[in-house]
Amino acid sequence: KNQVEQSPQSLIILEGKNCTLQCNYTVSPFSNLRWYKQDTGRGPVSLTIMTFSENTKSNGRYTATLDADTKQSSLHITASQLSDSASYICVVSAAGNNAGNMLTFGGGTRLMVKP
Amino acid sequence: NAGVTQTPKFRVLKTGQSMTLLCAQDMNHEYMYWYRQDPGMGLRLIHYSVGEGTTAKGEVPDGYNVSRLKKQNFLLGLESAAPSQTSVYFCASSYMSEWTEAFFGQGTRLTVV
Repeated sequence: KNQVEQSPQSLIILEGKNCTLQCNYTVSPFSNLRWYKQDTGRGPVSLTIMTFSENTKSNGRYTATLDADTKQSSLHITASQLSDSASYICVVSAAGNNAGNMLTFGGGTRLMVKP
Repeated sequence: NAGVTQTPKFRVLKTGQSMTLLCAQDMNHEYMYWYRQDPGMGLRLIHYSVGEGTTAKGEVPDGYNVSRLKKQNFLLGLESAAPSQTSVYFCASSYMSEWTEAFFGQGTRLTVV
């Protein structure tokens, strides 16, 4: 069964500090990995998408890394802001265009940035 | 740009009551999905559709039915609500490819008492 595990479940940091969120997956066959940001009371919004051959991808202060050999990904947030407070969800897409099992979601990391 | 719109945003049901959640997308996407999100768990797929007039079961389909009579709309029905169906429901849509981004609605918070 395809699985995506995220750690930590929750994290509190001070404004301006950096943090790193982790994602481990067992999805086969692998197609791509996405990080989503979900604000409280809203739907998830895509931050990055990475394919097998990409090691790093940035989106502003967000930098995602992917190690396809160890099946691990991380999301690094630099110089955190209060608006970064949200849940961050790792989503792995399986190859094959089968809509029924295409996306496997992690449980998310809830980040709180305090002033 | 409306994107994916869900109605209603909140609802409280009594056990045994029925209701329908509506999802509408204006991006001409072929694929549409219904997920539920429970605390500490990843989004779980309830039902999905790969095109107008087609639907299929996902990971947790029991107690739910769906219909996709029009390409832009995907309806999720609860025939006889149970407390275990208390959850936040998300609709999503995408093009028919593993590479394309899935766009999500804002969610419907359903409480069954």
